Amino acid sequence: GAVVSQHPSRVICKSGTSVKIECRSLDFQATTMFWYRQFPKQSLMLMATSNEGSKATYEQGVEKDKFLINHASLTLSTLTVTSAHPEDSSFYICSASGLQGSTEAFFGQGTRLTVV
Amino acid sequence: AQSVTQLDSHVSVSEGTPVLLRCNYSSSYSPSLFWYVQHPNKGLQLLLKYTSAATLVKGINGFEAEFKKSETSFHLTKPSAHMSDAAEYFCVVTLSGGYNKLIFGAGTRLAVHP
Repeated sequence: GAVVSQHPSRVICKSGTSVKIECRSLDFQATTMFWYRQFPKQSLMLMATSNEGSKATYEQGVEKDKFLINHASLTLSTLTVTSAHPEDSSFYICSASGLQGSTEAFFGQGTRLTVV
Repeated sequence: AQSVTQLDSHVSVSEGTPVLLRCNYSSSYSPSLFWYVQHPNKGLQLLLKYTSAATLVKGINGFEAEFKKSETSFHLTKPSAHMSDAAEYFCVVTLSGGYNKLIFGAGTRLAVHP
C-alpha cells in the first residue's frame, strides 16, 4: 500500500503555544486528506476533511480557528493547534486518499500531543 | 445516518485459539464496511473491506469477515490467534464506495495470551 508519513510522532509543548503537525503522502498524490483525533481508550473522531487547494471542511463542534488546516499541495497537509491548552492533549492521526486506482484511505502513524 | 457498534470493548484469547470480534452497523444506504487494526502508538492499517461484492471478505494476516445484511453484522474472525495479533481493532462504516467520512466504532482491544 501507499505510505503516509506524519511528523512529529510525539510533541510536548507549553500551554499557550502553537504546534504544527505535518502529514505527507510519500508516493502518491493525495487529493483528500482527513484529520482525526483520538482520546485515550476511545475511538477516532473525524475533525476535518481537506481537499488540495481549497478550504477544509470541519466537523460540527471542531473550532476551525483553533485547529488550522492547510492543504497547499497534493502531498502535504498540516494541522496547527493554536494556543494549545492541556485539554488539547490527544493523539492526532491523518489519512490520505487519492492513490490512482484505489479508493482506500491510508493512515499516518499519528502524533501524540501533550500540552503542559 | 450511519453508525457502528462494537459489542466488546475487550476480548482475551489464548494463542492458537479462534478470534471473534463483533460489529453491528446501522446505515440508511448501502454501506461500505472496514476493519482496521491499530498497534500501540501507531497509525491504522486496513485489514479488510466490504464494498457490496462478495459477502465473505478475506483480509491480511488470516483475518476474514462476513457481511450479513439480515443481521446488520460484520464480525471479524481468525481461526488461530498469534501473539502479534494483540492490538486495537476498529470496525468502520461509510457510504458505499466512499471514503470521505469514516465512522469508527469504539474499538475492541484484543489480548492474546501464551
